[in-house]
Amino acid sequence: DSGVTQTPKHLITATGQRVTLRCSPRSGDLSVYWYQQSLDQGLQFLIQYYNGEERAKGNILERFSAQQFPDLHSELNLSSLELGDSALYFCASSVVPDMNTEAFFGQGTRLTVV
Amino acid sequence: GENVEQHPSTLSVQEGDSAVIKCTYSDSASNYFPWYKQELGKRPQLIIDIRSNVGEKKDQRIAVTLNKTAKHFSLHITETQPEDSAVYFCAASRTGGYQKVTFGTGTKLQVIP
Repeated sequence: DSGVTQTPKHLITATGQRVTLRCSPRSGDLSVYWYQQSLDQGLQFLIQYYNGEERAKGNILERFSAQQFPDLHSELNLSSLELGDSALYFCASSVVPDMNTEAFFGQGTRLTVV
Repeated sequence: GENVEQHPSTLSVQEGDSAVIKCTYSDSASNYFPWYKQELGKRPQLIIDIRSNVGEKKDQRIAVTLNKTAKHFSLHITETQPEDSAVYFCAASRTGGYQKVTFGTGTKLQVIP
């Protein structure tokens, strides 16, 4: 167990819908990173938050947004869902802002858009 | 921004043989290079990392080498076992600034018993 909790584990929804993925980082970790992993693909960085503020942005679509709350948990919001958004979404956390120490990944949320 | 290339994308070895995965990076300021292992259906987990002030690091059957001049680093797995079968990701990041860690595209390693 990495200490990073992601909910839900599985999510099936229809095209055009909106979903929210939740991540609770390890106790004491201030950084939260979101990654998208499509079938047989690598880890595509979406966005990073550090202590409540957006710190870095990757290839995140405008239909996607995220935030980190005062208690440090984070939510990734995906709207106007398309079939191509089906993927495994990972959250990772680290204690420092730049992931230059070990980052701990959650078990992921598998999103299926039908 | 940083660009990390990883080769090969797939690798099959006989049990007991060695496996080598190579990565190159573009940002000369990168100073932290972790390797993650992802078993099928599971989360990525750190297996070894190296910082730019070190040329080589070893942990039992796993070793990583770093060539800062050439901007490449490699993962070496010796005496491979079936449980080494997984996808391996390299990554590069640097301290300070608003830089994200960049992952390579992954190498699917199959160890044949």
